[in-house]
Amino acid sequence: GDSVTQMEGPVTLSEEAFLTINCTYTATGYPSLFWYVQYPGEGLQLLLKATKADDKGSNKGFEATYRKETTSFHLEKGSVQVSDSAVYFCALSDRRTGNQFYFGTGTSLTVIP
Amino acid sequence: DAGVIQSPRHEVTEMGQEVTLRCKPISGHDYLFWYRQTMMRGLELLIYFNNNVPIDDSGMPEDRFSAKMPNASFSTLKIQPSEPRDSAVYFCASTNVRGTEAFFGQGTRLTVV
Repeated sequence: GDSVTQMEGPVTLSEEAFLTINCTYTATGYPSLFWYVQYPGEGLQLLLKATKADDKGSNKGFEATYRKETTSFHLEKGSVQVSDSAVYFCALSDRRTGNQFYFGTGTSLTVIP
Repeated sequence: DAGVIQSPRHEVTEMGQEVTLRCKPISGHDYLFWYRQTMMRGLELLIYFNNNVPIDDSGMPEDRFSAKMPNASFSTLKIQPSEPRDSAVYFCASTNVRGTEAFFGQGTRLTVV
């Protein structure tokens, strides 16, 4: 079945460091891919998405490219800020399998000044 | 739209009591998901509905859990009887057949003592 495997955390970076959080997926169809962010005490918010191969999603300086050949959707940011400290979830959804959302286990990011 | 609305935000109850969590999805969305989040198990899909009909409840942990969606604007998740291991944050999310992202509520933090 469909699934998402996400880089284990926690991740601690200094401000202005480069961030990469790895995400790979398994899907039988052609899923849409997402990164969600969860700030302390809040629900999950969509950060970015890509709906087909080679699409690049971007938002707030974060980027991720839908790579079908490597079944990956790695999250990157060139210069992290303290305010980026949160938990990041990779997810997929495939309408052909009922529009169900599959989430990775989440990666906790802490950015220190 | 006010987004997905969950109530209550916090619930503390004694073991053995019945607990009911409530969710109002975004108007026009025909998919509704219930998730449970814990430190140990991450984000787990419990059940999801399409057009008010339960599609997949394989994630419901046991018979103590039940979920209903009597109409397009309201869903409940009930635990009876509750146990301390049910303590978690429960999220509701909704999307529509044309949408590609799920919108999450703020969650209900349940503590069973």
